[in-house]
Amino acid sequence: GAVVSQHPSRVICKSGTSVKIECRSLDFQATTMFWYRQFPKQSLMLMATSNEGSKATYEQGVEKDKFLINHASLTLSTLTVTSAHPEDSSFYICSARTSGPLSYNEQFFGPGTRLTVL
Amino acid sequence: GENVEQHPSTLSVQEGDSAVIKCTYSDSASNYFPWYKQELGKRPQLIIDIRSNVGEKKDQRIAVTLNKTAKHFSLHITETQPEDSAVYFCAASINWGNQFYFGTGTSLTVIP
Repeated sequence: GAVVSQHPSRVICKSGTSVKIECRSLDFQATTMFWYRQFPKQSLMLMATSNEGSKATYEQGVEKDKFLINHASLTLSTLTVTSAHPEDSSFYICSARTSGPLSYNEQFFGPGTRLTVL
Repeated sequence: GENVEQHPSTLSVQEGDSAVIKCTYSDSASNYFPWYKQELGKRPQLIIDIRSNVGEKKDQRIAVTLNKTAKHFSLHITETQPEDSAVYFCAASINWGNQFYFGTGTSLTVIP
């Protein structure tokens, strides 16, 4: 099946620093990747949609200058949390989908990254 | 954007009983409705999905129904087993799988 990885799985950083999270599709080409944020015992909130080679589309209320997204290849998207603050602490999950015959509807999720900002 | 509501937030059933989780959506243009299961500390996994041109879909013990007129869809799990215990999320998508908008989740506990 389709596998999506994320790195790192956990990161602790100081307030004011930037953190980069990688999302990779390991065995398929992801034309589109999505970034979600999940608070404890809450739902997944879509932050942005990332298409390879183009600018990300951000959901309403998500600061694009705060959460920088780059989708440089068909297997890699990165989310950079800039000038992180404690309120940015959360679980960030990416997902990926393909336009090929694998399943054009399904999104395959990564294992998530736990970010803690001190 | 799309607004998806999910009920109940928690559900406990005896092993062997059925469990039903309901979701409503706001945008009549939504055309794809997946259900994901998320076990503690793990990634969400697709368990079943339905497209807007279908009213019902079944896969072994799991079924999903869709009422486009009322804009609601439901997950039915029959003959529940302890390993069904997890958080279940419904989602709605306008663009056949792009931009999923998730419900708030249902924590299902199956009591042996």
